Amino acid sequence: AQKITQTQPGMFVQEKEAVTLDCTYDTSDQSYGLFWYKQPSSGEMIFLIYQGSYDEQNATEGRYSLNFQKARKSANLVISASQLGDSAMYFCAMREGPNFGNEKLTFGTGTRLTIIP
Amino acid sequence: GAGVSQTPSNKVTEKGKYVELRCDPISGHTALYWYRQSLGQGPEFLIYFQGTGAADDSGLPNDRFFAVRPEGSVSTLKIQRTERGDSAVYLCASSIRDTTRNEQFFGPGTRLTVL
Repeated sequence: AQKITQTQPGMFVQEKEAVTLDCTYDTSDQSYGLFWYKQPSSGEMIFLIYQGSYDEQNATEGRYSLNFQKARKSANLVISASQLGDSAMYFCAMREGPNFGNEKLTFGTGTRLTIIP
Repeated sequence: GAGVSQTPSNKVTEKGKYVELRCDPISGHTALYWYRQSLGQGPEFLIYFQGTGAADDSGLPNDRFFAVRPEGSVSTLKIQRTERGDSAVYLCASSIRDTTRNEQFFGPGTRLTVL
């Protein structure tokens, strides 16, 4: 089974609208971390937001929030008031195990988001 | 401050040749990671260094791939007898490991093309 599943290969959203990018994950560990990264056409991966498995509150970072539903194993990224600069690939990733144990990230296949003026 | 840098940005080589890819992490970051990203895919983990030692090399695909970090800063990923299937973008990341989230900061990548 895929550890990280992103079912939306591409999305088109009107500027200023909110957008939700889906991510489901699969792990048997109780302790894990979930990340979202943005990859513009320049290629560099930019960290957006983090959610720990024991965090009770959904994470928020400016216009980004993470809709964490632990029982459903989903960690959807919500971008509010989308901007043209949000057009990019978005990757969901997971780190399994304790924070400072297994450090590797497992990434999904990504969603290409295009913001329409 | 300066981010993670990688050189070269592009490398074209012929099948069977040896290549070296360099990564300069953010100053003070003790952890360094290498990933490989094929077209249309997410990055795949290759190897992780904590200091000078490889803490996890489970992602290296075979013994043609090797990486070093002799002084705990700059790292070099070495690929022997390159094959066309090695063509990909090789990403390096570093982290400081001082917070719970311990996010990884990525460099711009090296695009490797094996002809």
